[in-house]
Formats: sequence, C-alpha cells, structure tokens
Amino acid sequence: QQQVKQSPQSLIVQKGGISIINCAYENTAFDYFPWYQQFPGKGPALLIAIRPDVSEKKEGRFTISFNKSAKQFSLHIMDSQPGDSATYFCAASRDNQGGKLIFGQGTELSVKP
Amino acid sequence: KAGVTQTPRYLIKTRGQQVTLSCSPISGHRSVSWYQQTPGQGLQFLFEYFSETQRNKGNFPGRFSGRQFSNSRSEMNVSTLELGDSALYLCASSGNPISYEQYFGPGTRLTVT
Repeated sequence: QQQVKQSPQSLIVQKGGISIINCAYENTAFDYFPWYQQFPGKGPALLIAIRPDVSEKKEGRFTISFNKSAKQFSLHIMDSQPGDSATYFCAASRDNQGGKLIFGQGTELSVKP
Repeated sequence: KAGVTQTPRYLIKTRGQQVTLSCSPISGHRSVSWYQQTPGQGLQFLFEYFSETQRNKGNFPGRFSGRQFSNSRSEMNVSTLELGDSALYLCASSGNPISYEQYFGPGTRLTVT
C-alpha cells in the first residue's frame, strides 16, 4: 500500500526554469511533510519541511505548497540550475512520529544548461 | 559538527550469512532511524531508536534487528541473508524529541551473492 504517491518519476527542465514535483497522501494523520534531495552515492539531504497548519513555506529557491483539503503537497524549485540535478523524495510522518518517514517513490530531476 | 557516519560503506556477503552495520549519529542526537533503499521498493523504514529503546518498527521480517547504545550509536543486524537484502542501508539521526528533521548518513551498500 503506497501511502505517499509522487509524480512525475522523471523531469527535465531548462536552466532558469521552474521544477515542480507533486505528492499526494492518503492518511489524514500525517502531520509532517519533508522533502529530501539525493545525489548519486550520497544519502538523502533534508531540503525543506512543512506542517499542515501552513499552506506555503519558502527557503531560498525552494518552496513547498500544501493543500490540506486535497491531501497534496508540492515542491517548486525556482530558477533551476544544473547543480539541482538529483533525485527528490517527498515524505510524510504521523502522530508526532517524525522518526518513521513514509517516502514517495522519488523524482529524477535533470536540469539542462 | 560532524555528520552521521556509517560503517562499513561497502559490504559483500554470501546468502545465509549475517551482517552488522554501524551508525554514529550527529553529536547530541538521541534518535536514530534506519531505512532500506532499493531501486524497486524505494526508501522503506526499518526501525527507530530513541534513548536505547525501539520506538517504531517497520514491516520487515524478524531477521532484521537493531539496537542503540548509551552513547546513541546504533547497529542493525540482518541474519540469514537473502539475495533480496541487497540494498543501500541508510541511517538518520535527529536531535528533535519527536525526530523531526532527520539527517541521513551516506549509507552502507550491502551486496548479497
């Protein structure tokens, strides 16, 4: 049972463009939604995270948009750069169990110069 | 601060053997979670330890076990290895009491032949 569905699987964006990755969840008990970035041969790195009482959070070029009623959240990467080329994972956890993350399947982002 | 460290980084084992992987969290972090990453199943939660106690457990067979020591270092053990156990095993630590903001190590690449 896939509790967090992520799309698209892969994404190609031109340098300077906006990259958008979407996630949908089923469990309304989820209360923490982080995004991770993973480069080949490395562990995932925490990018940005949001709680359901906030509809949007921005950190630098990265923005999370959260729609509680639709049970969806998305990552927007503004002014995408070739160095942003990596695999991105959304995740969720419930009931103050931050240590038990349920991950989406990942999106492989390629930013073309 | 030094990041999460995992040893060994690479390991090759034979079916039926057992293996122990080690994780040293970020200094001051008391929560350690373990994840398995494979191309087919993605990132899956194994278990979480906090102050030497298992706080959460994922849906893995009993062959997978773990423990945490008083200095917060953690080990995971896989007994009777199967080919399907070949994966990247990731450890993450958190300094938050409910384990938000998990920081991952580089992982241990286990190959079972």
